[in-house]
Amino acid sequence: AQSVTQLDSQVPVFEEAPVELRCNYSSSVSVYLFWYVQYPNQGLQLLLKYLSGSTLVESINGFEAEFNKSQTSFHLRKPSVHISDTAEYFCAVRTGTASKLTFGTGTRLQVTL
Amino acid sequence: DVKVTQSSRYLVKRTGEKVFLECVQDMDHENMFWYRQDPGLGLRLIYFSYDVKMKEKGDIPEGYSVSREKKERFSLILESASTNQTSMYLCASSDATRGGLFFGEGSRLTVL
Repeated sequence: AQSVTQLDSQVPVFEEAPVELRCNYSSSVSVYLFWYVQYPNQGLQLLLKYLSGSTLVESINGFEAEFNKSQTSFHLRKPSVHISDTAEYFCAVRTGTASKLTFGTGTRLQVTL
Repeated sequence: DVKVTQSSRYLVKRTGEKVFLECVQDMDHENMFWYRQDPGLGLRLIYFSYDVKMKEKGDIPEGYSVSREKKERFSLILESASTNQTSMYLCASSDATRGGLFFGEGSRLTVL
């Protein structure tokens, strides 16, 4: 069975600083990886995904994540955060032909001035 | 725009009551899911369905049941609500490709 570990439950950062949210997974088969964002009192929105091909994937709002098979990681990065990036971020994995996603416990990104 | 709609954003129920949470998607997706979200635990899968009248248990099905009579609708049922079922419930859907899930806004249930 697959599992996802998000090591940091909270990450405080100043506006315009870079940030990295860590995600590691365990699976013995091929994986598809996702990052979701949840703003207060809302559902989850897909931020970006890795299905195949280039190991570096990007979102429209400046986030990127790199699939590293040897490290079994899919860390999320942004070179310069904004106040509006304050939210909870969830990493998730889907394996093989399974339709369900397994989620990590989430990382709360708090951006301050 | 794709949409997953959950019928109630906030509910307050009493212990022992029967609770229905409804979810409707307008994307003609085959797969539908119910997760619960708790602080520090992330999202945990309760049940999912890959076709009408089909259902499979997720990681925490105890105390819950589901119904999928039509492709677009997936209901979560708490036969006898208990205080430890106080949580945020999230419905999601997906098609048969390898893509991700589309989520509703969530239903926050409080059981007193």
